[in-house]
Amino acid sequence: QLQLQESGPGLVKPSETLSLICTVSGGSIGSGRYYWGWVRQPPGKGLEWIGSTYHSGSPYYNPSLTTRATISVDPATNHFSLKLKFVTVADTAIYYCARHFDWFDSWGRGILVTVSS
Amino acid sequence: EEVMTQSPVILSVSPGGRATLSCRASQNIGSNLAWYQQKPGQSPRLLIYDVSTRATGVPARFTGRGSGTEFTLTISSLQSEDFAVYYCQHYNNWPPWTFGPGTKVEVK
Repeated sequence: QLQLQESGPGLVKPSETLSLICTVSGGSIGSGRYYWGWVRQPPGKGLEWIGSTYHSGSPYYNPSLTTRATISVDPATNHFSLKLKFVTVADTAIYYCARHFDWFDSWGRGILVTVSS
Repeated sequence: EEVMTQSPVILSVSPGGRATLSCRASQNIGSNLAWYQQKPGQSPRLLIYDVSTRATGVPARFTGRGSGTEFTLTISSLQSEDFAVYYCQHYNNWPPWTFGPGTKVEVK
């Protein structure tokens, strides 16, 4: 069964870079037609797609985050990652990694990242 | 870019009752719509895709309908585990992949 697990610091200072890794098990990033993406959810609010990557090629990003977000993938180690630079308190959220093509069918449990000095 | 809206924001329903949630797209998205359920402290769970196809393990009391710009999710005979927040999401002309703001189904 496919499992995704987010990892990374739970606290980031304003203006610094948020870095998260998603570890995929029970399936291979390099096979199939799926995208591997990041979705975030500020406390008490809704879901916002951040960006997604295929196992090769260029990632797609939410236009509102494209200047700050970078998603990379390593099929060899079955990981993909998110970097979000110049964070502010508005970037405080639960960050989920997920598998999708059209719809998102597998999600990680999420990791709360707080931006605070 | 399509914008998704959902109504109502909060829906109060008695256990055993029927809930009908609405999702509207700002442009025609055909049948490119999915629904998710999210319980407190949990990640979203795929319920329905392609408007009306239930994901694996989703009970038959969840029914999706609609096309174009107007969509509904109906939960018949609400069980205690159904009280949650529900999001719609379109996948027409992605990227981006866009979620609606959500509807909370609470106990009346």
